[in-house]
Amino acid sequence: GQQLNQSPQSMFIQEGEDVSMNCTSSSIFNTWLWYKQEPGEGPVLLIALYKAGELTSNGRLTAQFGITRKDSFLNISASIPSDVGIYFCAGPNNNAGNMLTFGGGTRLMVKP
Amino acid sequence: EAEVAQSPRYKITEKSQAVAFWCDPISGHATLYWYRQILGQGPELLVQFQDESVVDDSQLPKDRFSAERLKGVDSTLKIQPAELGDSAMYLCASKKARETQYFGPGTRLLVL
Repeated sequence: GQQLNQSPQSMFIQEGEDVSMNCTSSSIFNTWLWYKQEPGEGPVLLIALYKAGELTSNGRLTAQFGITRKDSFLNISASIPSDVGIYFCAGPNNNAGNMLTFGGGTRLMVKP
Repeated sequence: EAEVAQSPRYKITEKSQAVAFWCDPISGHATLYWYRQILGQGPELLVQFQDESVVDDSQLPKDRFSAERLKGVDSTLKIQPAELGDSAMYLCASKKARETQYFGPGTRLLVL
C-alpha cells in the first residue's frame, strides 16, 4: 500500500530557529496535508496542498507540494515554544475511499 | 467553531473487559472515520462510514472490534474483549464531501 516517510524523526532546536521537515512517498498523491498533534490531543490540520508545485503559507508555516507529487516539505520560521508537538504529513488514498495515510511524524522540541 | 466530540477522553480497563468509545462528528459531516494511533506512530484507519453505511472496515479486527453509526450521526466503537495490545489513542474524524478531515481529541485507552 501507499506509505509516507517523514524525516527527520525528531528535532531539538533553539527558540527562534527555522525548521524544515519533509515527507516522501513512492507513489503519487493528489493532495498533501500537514497536521500538528500535541500530547493527548487529536491532530489539527495546518495546511492543505492540492496542486503540484503549490506553495502555501499559514502564518509562520510554509508548505510546498512537490512537482513530482511524491513529496512535500513543511517549514516553520522563527520557532517558538508552542510549536512543540508532532507534525504529520498525510495524503488520501484515492483507491480506498479517500482514507488518509499518515507518515510516522516528526517530533519537534523547542528550547526556550 | 464546530468540533468533533469524543468521550471518554481516557479509559483504563483490564484485559478481557469490554470498552466502548463514542464520537459525535461535526454537524453535516456525512463521512466518519475511526483511527487507532499507537504511541510514537501515525494514526491508522480502522473503519470508515458514509452516513450509516460502512465504506471500509478492512483494517478492523472484527473478532473483537465492532463499530456502528446507526442513524448516520454519532458513532460507537467497541472492543470486546480488550487485549494488552489494544492500548492506544482512538481518534475519530469527520468530513464533508471534497473537504479535509477534522479530528476529535481522541480517547486514550490503557489496558492492564
